[in-house]
Amino acid sequence: AQKITQTQPGMFVQEKEAVTLDCTYDTSDPSYGLFWYKQPSSGEMIFLIYQGSYDQQNATEGRYSLNFQKARKSANLVISASQLGDSAMYFCAMRDYAGGTSYGKLTFGQGTILTVHP
Amino acid sequence: NAGVTQTPKFQVLKTGQSMTLQCAQDMNHNSMYWYRQDPGMGLRLIYYSASEGTTDKGEVPNGYNVSRLNKREFSLRLESAAPSQTSVYFCASRTSGSAGEQYFGPGTRLTVT
Repeated sequence: AQKITQTQPGMFVQEKEAVTLDCTYDTSDPSYGLFWYKQPSSGEMIFLIYQGSYDQQNATEGRYSLNFQKARKSANLVISASQLGDSAMYFCAMRDYAGGTSYGKLTFGQGTILTVHP
Repeated sequence: NAGVTQTPKFQVLKTGQSMTLQCAQDMNHNSMYWYRQDPGMGLRLIYYSASEGTTDKGEVPNGYNVSRLNKREFSLRLESAAPSQTSVYFCASRTSGSAGEQYFGPGTRLTVT
């Protein structure tokens, strides 16, 4: 069974600095996808970035990048130039294709609360 | 284009009462999902529907039933609510394609007393 681990319950960063949020995963399937979502205090879930297991390059979306280290089974989110509005809960999630099908089901980590200080 | 909508936003139930959480999406997505979010647990999949007319259990299906009414709508029913079902419930639908990220509704905060 797939598993996602986020070991940092909370992280603090100074505004305009970069921060890395850790995520490790466990799956026996060679084909999988990794996602990061942001959940601000208002509660909605916002998709940030996606990395496929066969993608050769690390995914980037604006100030977000995904540091994908396949051999270590890690998929860390890097936020550059942090802003006050980045303060939120961040979830790492994985979709695998065990048995050849996934139907898009996601397994989520427990989340990391990021606080950006001015 | 409203995306994924959920009703109600908040609900308080007494133990043993029943209720249905409604979800609708207007993005023509085939797959839809119900998750629950408990403090410190992340989101856990309750049920999903890969396509219209099909539903299947996720990680925590006990105490719930679902109906995929049509391509747009996917409802979650609690037949006899229990305090352990106090949670925030999210509905999601999925785009097609290799990434196929899920788009989430705003959530329903349910309290069972």
